[in-house]
Amino acid sequence: GNSVTQMEGPVTLSEEAFLTINCTYTATGYPSLFWYVQYPGEGLQLLLKATKADDKGSNKGFEATYRKETTSFHLEKGSVQVSDSAVYFCALSPPVGGNQFYFGTGTSLTVIP
Amino acid sequence: DARVTQTPRHKVTEMGQEVTMRCQPILGHNTVFWYRQTMMQGLELLAYFRNRAPLDDSGMPKDRFSAEMPDATLATLKIQPSEPRDSAVYFCASGLTGGNQPQHFGDGTRLSIL
Repeated sequence: GNSVTQMEGPVTLSEEAFLTINCTYTATGYPSLFWYVQYPGEGLQLLLKATKADDKGSNKGFEATYRKETTSFHLEKGSVQVSDSAVYFCALSPPVGGNQFYFGTGTSLTVIP
Repeated sequence: DARVTQTPRHKVTEMGQEVTMRCQPILGHNTVFWYRQTMMQGLELLAYFRNRAPLDDSGMPKDRFSAEMPDATLATLKIQPSEPRDSAVYFCASGLTGGNQPQHFGDGTRLSIL
């Protein structure tokens, strides 16, 4: 079956620290992989995506590389800011079907000045 | 940027009342999803549609919940009768068919059942 496992939170970092949020997946075939971010009181927003092995998605200083050999899609940022405080969701979409997503449980990040 | 629009943003009502939540998907999108988010259960898929046809509503309590798409610009989620355990944030998302297409989320309806 299809599933996503995310690093347990919450995560608290100081401003300018390095961020890694781990995400591993189980899937049939070659899924597309996504990271979403949710700020308080808002819906999930697409942060980045990768659609095939070795692809690197990037946006707003965040990066994630689709690693088929380790079935992982870890989110990284070199220097976090207070404004990055949010909940981050990893998700996969199977290669065929109606665009149904499988989401991880979310990782809460708090960045302190 | 095109956005998914959900109404109302907030709803407070008493147990037993009917609740209707509405969603306007992004124009041209042919898939629509309803999710429920709570602290305890996280993000749960309730139902989804492709080309206005329901594909899967197995995540939805059938006895009280119903989801429809009367036309391509409107999706509705109804709860009748509502119960306190239905209190949650309900999100609608839309997208295009295809495994590499993202889902686009609305800002949700925050529902409180007293």
